[in-house]
Amino acid sequence: DTGVSQDPRHKITKRGQNVTFRCDPISEHNRLYWYRQTLGQGPEFLTYFQNEAQLEKSRLLSDRFSAERPKGSFSTLEIQRTEQGDSAMYLCASSTGMGQGVLSWAKETQYFGPGTRLLVL
Amino acid sequence: AQSVTQLDSHVSVSEGTPVLLRCNYSSSYSPSLFWYVQHPNKGLQLLLKYTSAATLVKGINGFEAEFKKSETSFHLTKPSAHMSDAAEYFCVVSRGGGSQGNLIFGKGTKLSVKP
Repeated sequence: DTGVSQDPRHKITKRGQNVTFRCDPISEHNRLYWYRQTLGQGPEFLTYFQNEAQLEKSRLLSDRFSAERPKGSFSTLEIQRTEQGDSAMYLCASSTGMGQGVLSWAKETQYFGPGTRLLVL
Repeated sequence: AQSVTQLDSHVSVSEGTPVLLRCNYSSSYSPSLFWYVQHPNKGLQLLLKYTSAATLVKGINGFEAEFKKSETSFHLTKPSAHMSDAAEYFCVVSRGGGSQGNLIFGKGTKLSVKP
Protein backbone atom coordinates (compact mmCIF):
# COMPACT_ATOMS: atom_id res chain seq x y z
CA ASP A 1 0.00 0.00 0.00
CA THR A 2 1.57 3.29 -1.07
CA GLY A 3 -0.98 5.63 0.54
CA VAL A 4 -0.72 7.73 3.69
CA SER A 5 -0.74 5.59 6.82
CA GLN A 6 -1.42 6.55 10.42
CA ASP A 7 -0.81 4.75 13.68
CA PRO A 8 -2.60 3.97 15.91
CA ARG A 9 -6.05 3.99 14.35
CA HIS A 10 -7.72 4.31 17.73
CA LYS A 11 -6.50 5.61 21.08
CA ILE A 12 -8.32 5.78 24.40
CA THR A 13 -6.57 7.64 27.19
CA LYS A 14 -7.32 9.24 30.51
CA ARG A 15 -7.35 12.98 31.00
CA GLY A 16 -3.91 14.28 31.83
CA GLN A 17 -1.99 11.59 29.97
CA ASN A 18 0.28 12.25 26.99
CA VAL A 19 -0.38 10.66 23.62
CA THR A 20 1.64 10.48 20.41
CA PHE A 21 0.42 9.74 16.90
CA ARG A 22 2.46 8.85 13.86
CA CYS A 23 1.91 9.61 10.19
CA ASP A 24 3.80 8.09 7.26
CA PRO A 25 3.20 10.13 4.10
CA ILE A 26 3.31 8.94 0.53
CA SER A 27 6.91 8.33 -0.38
CA GLU A 28 8.69 11.43 -1.71
CA HIS A 29 5.87 13.79 -0.79
CA ASN A 30 7.52 16.91 0.55
CA ARG A 31 4.56 18.46 2.31
CA LEU A 32 2.79 16.92 5.28
CA TYR A 33 -0.31 18.29 7.02
CA TRP A 34 -2.16 17.60 10.24
CA TYR A 35 -5.89 18.25 10.64
CA ARG A 36 -8.37 17.71 13.44
CA GLN A 37 -11.97 16.65 12.83
CA THR A 38 -14.58 16.77 15.57
CA LEU A 39 -17.97 15.12 15.36
CA GLY A 40 -20.25 16.69 12.79
CA GLN A 41 -17.59 19.06 11.48
CA GLY A 42 -15.19 19.16 8.59
CA PRO A 43 -11.47 18.79 9.22
CA GLU A 44 -9.64 21.86 10.52
CA PHE A 45 -6.04 22.64 9.69
CA LEU A 46 -3.52 22.31 12.54
CA THR A 47 -0.05 22.53 11.03
CA TYR A 48 2.07 21.64 8.04
CA PHE A 49 5.66 20.76 7.15
CA GLN A 50 7.72 21.37 4.07
CA ASN A 51 10.30 18.60 4.35
CA GLU A 52 11.47 18.80 7.99
CA ALA A 53 10.53 22.44 8.51
CA GLN A 54 7.29 23.28 10.29
CA LEU A 55 6.11 26.32 8.36
CA GLU A 56 2.69 27.12 9.75
CA LYS A 57 0.71 26.43 12.89
CA SER A 58 -2.97 27.12 13.39
CA ARG A 59 -4.28 28.95 16.44
CA LEU A 60 -5.98 25.62 17.23
CA LEU A 61 -2.57 24.20 18.05
CA SER A 62 -2.18 25.07 21.72
CA ASP A 63 1.08 24.81 23.67
CA ARG A 64 0.12 21.27 24.68
CA PHE A 65 0.44 20.16 21.05
CA SER A 66 3.75 19.59 19.31
CA ALA A 67 4.51 18.13 15.93
CA GLU A 68 7.78 17.01 14.43
CA ARG A 69 9.07 15.67 11.16
CA PRO A 70 12.72 15.07 12.00
CA LYS A 71 14.00 13.58 8.76
CA GLY A 72 11.44 14.95 6.39
CA SER A 73 9.67 11.60 6.13
CA PHE A 74 7.28 10.46 8.87
CA SER A 75 5.76 12.89 11.36
CA THR A 76 4.58 12.66 14.95
CA LEU A 77 1.92 14.68 16.72
CA GLU A 78 2.09 14.72 20.51
CA ILE A 79 -0.58 15.98 22.85
CA GLN A 80 0.51 16.58 26.44
CA ARG A 81 -1.83 16.63 29.42
CA THR A 82 -4.80 15.59 27.33
CA GLU A 83 -8.20 17.13 27.96
CA GLN A 84 -11.63 15.81 27.09
CA GLY A 85 -11.92 18.53 24.46
CA ASP A 86 -9.01 16.92 22.60
CA SER A 87 -11.26 13.99 21.68
CA ALA A 88 -11.41 14.01 17.88
CA MET A 89 -10.16 12.36 14.72
CA TYR A 90 -6.64 13.45 13.84
CA LEU A 91 -5.97 13.32 10.11
CA CYS A 92 -2.70 13.45 8.27
CA ALA A 93 -2.29 14.35 4.61
CA SER A 94 0.60 14.71 2.22
CA SER A 95 1.25 16.36 -1.12
CA THR A 96 4.07 16.62 -3.58
CA GLY A 97 5.06 20.14 -2.65
CA MET A 98 6.87 20.60 -5.91
CA GLY A 99 4.98 23.69 -7.00
CA GLN A 100 6.19 27.19 -6.37
CA GLY A 101 4.09 30.30 -6.09
CA VAL A 102 0.52 30.97 -5.14
CA LEU A 103 -1.20 29.27 -8.07
CA SER A 104 0.82 26.07 -7.73
CA TRP A 105 -0.08 25.88 -4.08
CA ALA A 106 -3.74 26.28 -4.85
CA LYS A 107 -3.74 23.43 -7.38
CA GLU A 108 -2.04 20.84 -5.21
CA THR A 109 -3.92 17.72 -4.19
CA GLN A 110 -3.61 16.49 -0.64
CA TYR A 111 -3.91 12.77 0.00
CA PHE A 112 -5.32 11.78 3.38
CA GLY A 113 -4.64 8.91 5.72
CA PRO A 114 -7.37 6.98 7.58
CA GLY A 115 -6.94 9.06 10.73
CA THR A 116 -6.39 8.37 14.41
CA ARG A 117 -9.50 8.55 16.55
CA LEU A 118 -8.71 9.82 20.04
CA LEU A 119 -11.04 9.48 23.00
CA VAL A 120 -10.06 11.20 26.24
CA LEU A 121 -11.94 9.93 29.28
CA ALA B 1 -10.87 35.30 3.13
CA GLN B 2 -11.87 31.97 1.65
CA SER B 3 -14.80 29.91 2.91
CA VAL B 4 -17.27 27.29 1.76
CA THR B 5 -20.87 26.70 2.79
CA GLN B 6 -22.54 23.36 2.24
CA LEU B 7 -26.21 24.12 2.08
CA ASP B 8 -27.51 20.75 3.25
CA SER B 9 -26.26 18.78 6.22
CA HIS B 10 -28.12 15.65 5.10
CA VAL B 11 -29.43 14.52 1.71
CA SER B 12 -31.43 11.35 1.18
CA VAL B 13 -32.07 9.83 -2.26
CA SER B 14 -33.31 6.54 -3.63
CA GLU B 15 -30.98 4.24 -5.49
CA GLY B 16 -30.98 5.06 -9.19
CA THR B 17 -32.13 8.67 -8.75
CA PRO B 18 -29.95 11.78 -9.28
CA VAL B 19 -27.74 13.23 -6.56
CA LEU B 20 -27.26 16.95 -5.95
CA LEU B 21 -25.01 18.20 -3.15
CA ARG B 22 -24.85 21.98 -2.96
CA CYS B 23 -21.83 24.12 -2.15
CA ASN B 24 -21.29 27.87 -2.26
CA TYR B 25 -17.87 29.41 -1.88
CA SER B 26 -16.40 32.76 -1.01
CA SER B 27 -13.00 33.75 -2.28
CA SER B 28 -11.11 36.96 -2.89
CA TYR B 29 -9.43 35.47 -5.94
CA SER B 30 -10.00 32.68 -8.43
CA PRO B 31 -10.19 29.65 -6.14
CA SER B 32 -9.25 26.01 -6.39
CA LEU B 33 -12.18 23.91 -5.26
CA PHE B 34 -12.39 20.24 -4.34
CA TRP B 35 -14.91 17.64 -3.34
CA TYR B 36 -13.77 14.91 -0.96
CA VAL B 37 -15.73 11.88 0.20
CA GLN B 38 -15.36 10.16 3.57
CA HIS B 39 -16.72 6.68 4.12
CA PRO B 40 -17.11 5.47 7.72
CA ASN B 41 -13.79 4.59 9.32
CA LYS B 42 -11.90 5.49 6.16
CA GLY B 43 -9.79 8.41 5.10
CA LEU B 44 -10.86 11.26 2.89
CA GLN B 45 -10.76 10.47 -0.81
CA LEU B 46 -10.55 13.09 -3.54
CA LEU B 47 -13.54 12.96 -5.89
CA LEU B 48 -12.63 15.85 -8.16
CA LYS B 49 -11.01 19.27 -8.26
CA TYR B 50 -11.41 22.52 -10.11
CA THR B 51 -8.32 24.59 -10.82
CA SER B 52 -9.47 27.22 -13.33
CA ALA B 53 -9.47 25.01 -16.41
CA ALA B 54 -12.82 23.61 -17.66
CA THR B 55 -15.76 24.72 -15.54
CA LEU B 56 -17.38 21.28 -15.71
CA VAL B 57 -15.18 18.88 -13.83
CA LYS B 58 -15.55 15.12 -14.02
CA GLY B 59 -14.44 13.00 -11.11
CA ILE B 60 -14.38 9.41 -10.03
CA ASN B 61 -17.37 7.09 -9.62
CA GLY B 62 -19.54 9.10 -12.04
CA PHE B 63 -19.53 12.33 -10.05
CA GLU B 64 -19.11 15.74 -11.61
CA ALA B 65 -19.26 19.35 -10.48
CA GLU B 66 -19.76 22.65 -12.27
CA PHE B 67 -17.96 25.83 -11.27
CA LYS B 68 -20.29 28.83 -11.66
CA LYS B 69 -18.53 32.06 -10.89
CA SER B 70 -21.65 34.21 -11.24
CA GLU B 71 -23.41 32.13 -8.60
CA THR B 72 -20.25 31.37 -6.55
CA SER B 73 -21.33 27.74 -6.56
CA PHE B 74 -19.65 24.38 -7.03
CA HIS B 75 -22.44 21.82 -6.76
CA LEU B 76 -21.71 18.10 -6.94
CA THR B 77 -23.96 15.88 -9.05
CA LYS B 78 -24.35 12.29 -10.13
CA PRO B 79 -27.01 11.05 -12.56
CA SER B 80 -27.82 7.84 -10.72
CA ALA B 81 -27.10 7.07 -7.07
CA HIS B 82 -25.67 3.76 -5.98
CA MET B 83 -25.84 2.25 -2.51
CA SER B 84 -22.06 2.53 -2.25
CA ASP B 85 -22.32 6.33 -2.59
CA ALA B 86 -23.66 6.60 0.95
CA ALA B 87 -21.00 8.63 2.78
CA GLU B 88 -20.11 12.13 3.95
CA TYR B 89 -19.08 14.64 1.29
CA PHE B 90 -16.97 17.72 1.88
CA CYS B 91 -16.68 20.77 -0.32
CA VAL B 92 -13.23 22.32 0.08
CA VAL B 93 -11.50 25.53 -1.00
CA SER B 94 -7.75 25.91 -1.11
CA ARG B 95 -6.44 28.78 0.97
CA GLY B 96 -3.75 29.81 -1.45
CA GLY B 97 -3.29 33.48 -1.92
CA GLY B 98 -0.55 34.95 0.18
CA SER B 99 -0.63 32.16 2.71
CA GLN B 100 0.28 28.52 2.72
CA GLY B 101 -2.07 26.34 0.70
CA ASN B 102 -3.94 24.53 3.41
CA LEU B 103 -7.51 23.44 2.80
CA ILE B 104 -10.69 24.92 4.25
CA PHE B 105 -13.46 22.35 4.58
CA GLY B 106 -17.19 22.81 4.66
CA LYS B 107 -19.13 21.14 7.44
CA GLY B 108 -20.06 18.21 5.24
CA THR B 109 -23.18 16.71 3.71
CA LYS B 110 -24.19 13.23 4.71
CA LEU B 111 -25.64 11.34 1.76
CA SER B 112 -28.03 8.48 2.45
CA VAL B 113 -29.12 6.14 -0.34
CA LYS B 114 -32.31 4.17 0.08
CA PRO B 115 -32.83 0.86 -1.74
